[in-house]
Amino acid sequence: GQQLNQSPQSMFIQEGEDVSMNCTSSSIFNTWLWYKQDPGEGPVLLIALYKAGELTSNGRLTAQFGITRKDSFLNISASIPSDVGIYFCAGWGSQGNLIFGKGTKLSVKP
Amino acid sequence: DSGVTQTPKHLITATGQRVTLRCSPRSGDLSVYWYQQSLDQGLQFLIQYYNGEERAKGNILERFSAQQFPDLHSELNLSSLELGDSALYFCASSVSQGRGETQYFGPGTRLLVL
Repeated sequence: GQQLNQSPQSMFIQEGEDVSMNCTSSSIFNTWLWYKQDPGEGPVLLIALYKAGELTSNGRLTAQFGITRKDSFLNISASIPSDVGIYFCAGWGSQGNLIFGKGTKLSVKP
Repeated sequence: DSGVTQTPKHLITATGQRVTLRCSPRSGDLSVYWYQQSLDQGLQFLIQYYNGEERAKGNILERFSAQQFPDLHSELNLSSLELGDSALYFCASSVSQGRGETQYFGPGTRLLVL
């Protein structure tokens, strides 16, 4: 079935550093979504991308929809402690269901 | 707060038992989705209901079933529980049934099967 491969699996960074994570697939996705999950909470949508090549920002977060429609990346600039959590990419599968990557766990050292 | 509520927050039960998880969608949302999140499998889509009817099915076991009631709340029934069913179960809702719609997730029910 369709899969999303997310990397890295985890990151340990210093407060103030920039972060980059990405998501790839062997199949084409027409929408890419990025979610963040805080401990003990459900995922929250950060950014949605609907067009190949699209670059969208949400505060310190920037995400891009790859030209091939098989990848996407998420950047976080000037990280702060509250950026800690698990970041998931997701895309709509061919059967109409949302498919999630395995997540990137971000830890920020003050 | 996403507006999606789930009960109970935690559930501990034994193998072979049956449990029911409950979800109330955001006001006005007609679609409800159920997901299972485990450490090794990540977030897996189980099933979607739209306005009371099953709309899409994912990796849902035959031992699991769901329904959506006229007031739009939904229940996920898990029976003949096994140790491997221990996971976080999330419910999400969206306004309609189409792709590209934002899904709002509830806080989840943590199920532990002993």
